[in-house]
Amino acid sequence: EVQLVESGGGLVQPGGSLRLSCAASGFTFSTYSINWVRQAPGKGLEWLSYISPSSNTIYYADSVKGRFTISRDNAKNSLYLQMNSLRDEDTAVYYCARRGYSGYEFDYWGQGTLVTVSS
Amino acid sequence: QSVLTQPPSVSAAPGQKVTISCSGSSSNIGNNYVSWYQQLPGTAPKLLIYDNNKRPSGIPDRFSGSKSGTSATLDITGLQTGDEADYYCGTWDTSLSGGPVFGGGTQLTVL
Repeated sequence: EVQLVESGGGLVQPGGSLRLSCAASGFTFSTYSINWVRQAPGKGLEWLSYISPSSNTIYYADSVKGRFTISRDNAKNSLYLQMNSLRDEDTAVYYCARRGYSGYEFDYWGQGTLVTVSS
Repeated sequence: QSVLTQPPSVSAAPGQKVTISCSGSSSNIGNNYVSWYQQLPGTAPKLLIYDNNKRPSGIPDRFSGSKSGTSATLDITGLQTGDEADYYCGTWDTSLSGGPVFGGGTQLTVL
């Protein structure tokens, strides 16, 4: 069974940093691209970042470019999101989501981890 | 403001059919496959439809998708109370900023 489990969320002050993790199991992690997607309270889905299987290709949304860094450790079946210079508007549930075979869809999602940016 | 436009809410009675629309442009829906996601209250999104009209294993055929030009639709027939959820369309956008994009979501109420 494919599983993605996020961790690392919590309360952080504006300007602070946080590192999220996503532990994968039930599939060959090293052969799939993975994404981070967030959802602010009561709002819709926002794609944040993409990383290819070997980390050769990385993309970011404009809203987080220069502040967030995506990375992965295939030996540990894990994905990470280093978030710096956090702002109030970064408050959201953060999901890791696997890119599907077709390439246009997210076929499996984690349960999400809540990040709250507040003083 | 989402790149893809969905109605904020739709409603229908149990057993009826509902259609959720998703409007975009040539830089996204017009030239890329569309997917649909169901988000039940308090849970993570779940893939319902991919490649415009394909269903992952385990998704009932009550759910169907289609695409025409720069718009896509999700049809749900034989509505059940358990279908009450938020539904999101998604695709890729090939404009300058690029990347995956989603609609703003549609809240389905089964009356």
